[in-house]
Amino acid sequence: NAGVMQNPRHLVRRRGQEARLRCSPMKGHSHVYWYRQLPEEGLKFMVYLQKENIIDESGMPKERFSAEFPKEGPSILRIQQVVRGDSAAYFCASSLSGQNSPLHFGNGTRLTVT
Amino acid sequence: GIQVEQSPPDLILQEGANSTLRCNFSDSVNNLQWFHQNPWGQLINLFYIPSGTKQNGRLSATTVATERYSLLYISSSQTTDSGVYFCAVEGWAGNTGKLIFGQGTTLQVKP
Repeated sequence: NAGVMQNPRHLVRRRGQEARLRCSPMKGHSHVYWYRQLPEEGLKFMVYLQKENIIDESGMPKERFSAEFPKEGPSILRIQQVVRGDSAAYFCASSLSGQNSPLHFGNGTRLTVT
Repeated sequence: GIQVEQSPPDLILQEGANSTLRCNFSDSVNNLQWFHQNPWGQLINLFYIPSGTKQNGRLSATTVATERYSLLYISSSQTTDSGVYFCAVEGWAGNTGKLIFGQGTTLQVKP
């Protein structure tokens, strides 16, 4: 199956720890998006990356959050010094050509901050 | 920014019934997609439909871009259709594939 792969599926962190979420896009896709879904809410755009470049990070908090998509390996969403409000489902999606192509989502990482 | 409104917010159907879900958007779009989030949280892309009509089995969708709305039709609903249906758009000025999501319609299909 060449779908979007995210891991871990569930992640529990104590306040102040770091969370690292990984995403491997569909085979052949070089456009990666991260979205966050809070309980009972829709999905909010966080960041859009292509290989080695951040294209649009307008939805990502300025502090504690960072994202990368290196030349080799998966895309990483990193949250430093997590707080309870960071508890959410984080979804990664990929597309073939960015605009004008369907977006395909992974199964998400459910982050719980205790 | 562009606003996306979905209606109804909640819908309960008996198995076998048909339904229409609506998505209104506040500005011109060059990208519109419908997604189904099942009860396990998985997001499935149903349609990429910035304009026109498409059909896939019991599902079909129509987008009237000039009037800024899209409709998702579900016919002969099944319990496996339960979940949340999201409409998502990118405004005409955008060219990145970054989608703005509506709040969703929660569908429950009863046996």
